[in-house]
Amino acid sequence: EIVLTQSPDFQSVTPKEKVTITCRASQSIGSSLHWYQQKPDQSPKLLIKYASQSFSGVPSRFSGSGSGTDFTLTINSLEAEDAATYYCHQSSSLPQTFGQGTKVEIK
Amino acid sequence: QVQLVESGGGVVQPGRSLRLSCAASGFTFSSYAMHWVRQAPGKGLEWVAVISYDGSNKYYADSVKGRFTISRDNSKNTLYLQMNSLRAEDTAVYYCAREGFVVVVAATPPLDYWGQGTLVTVSS
Repeated sequence: EIVLTQSPDFQSVTPKEKVTITCRASQSIGSSLHWYQQKPDQSPKLLIKYASQSFSGVPSRFSGSGSGTDFTLTINSLEAEDAATYYCHQSSSLPQTFGQGTKVEIK
Repeated sequence: QVQLVESGGGVVQPGRSLRLSCAASGFTFSSYAMHWVRQAPGKGLEWVAVISYDGSNKYYADSVKGRFTISRDNSKNTLYLQMNSLRAEDTAVYYCAREGFVVVVAATPPLDYWGQGTLVTVSS
């Protein structure tokens, strides 16, 4: 099973600041890495697919990069509505797995 | 627009069974693989199972293998999860999710749309 480790677990950020979340895979997964946003009491929503492609309708301040084992989600100029937990997800091999999540709080 | 609506959750005693449903609309259901993902209260996401577009292939997490069965009825645009021998640790919100099409060579697709989830509580 591929283990995904996100860092940090929690981040408290001021609006307009830049947020960087990393996701490290226990083995190479190419670009089969995706990012989701989950707000309280809501289902997860796809933000970034294939490590760096934005999903339809996602604001341009969200971007992703990386390949192989190291990946990054960046939120440029954080907005209040971005308060949420962010998860990475690998679809490279079964069982599919998720990172433990990174909670982003607005100061 | 794509819609996935889960139902069938509730409170059930340990050892009993429950069947979840996921009604799909707004897309050609029979063309897509479908997944179940769960989330225990206050915890992260856990992948549970996947079924291919035609139902011919199914895979499960070790934690549910032998107890849960994923199935689909393409004539009814509905995905199912039959859960037997339920345990307290199966308590979670269960989401159905659509697997997107492959658009990148040598890469596998994301879960592009999710339902709102249905809560399963296993308790005596």
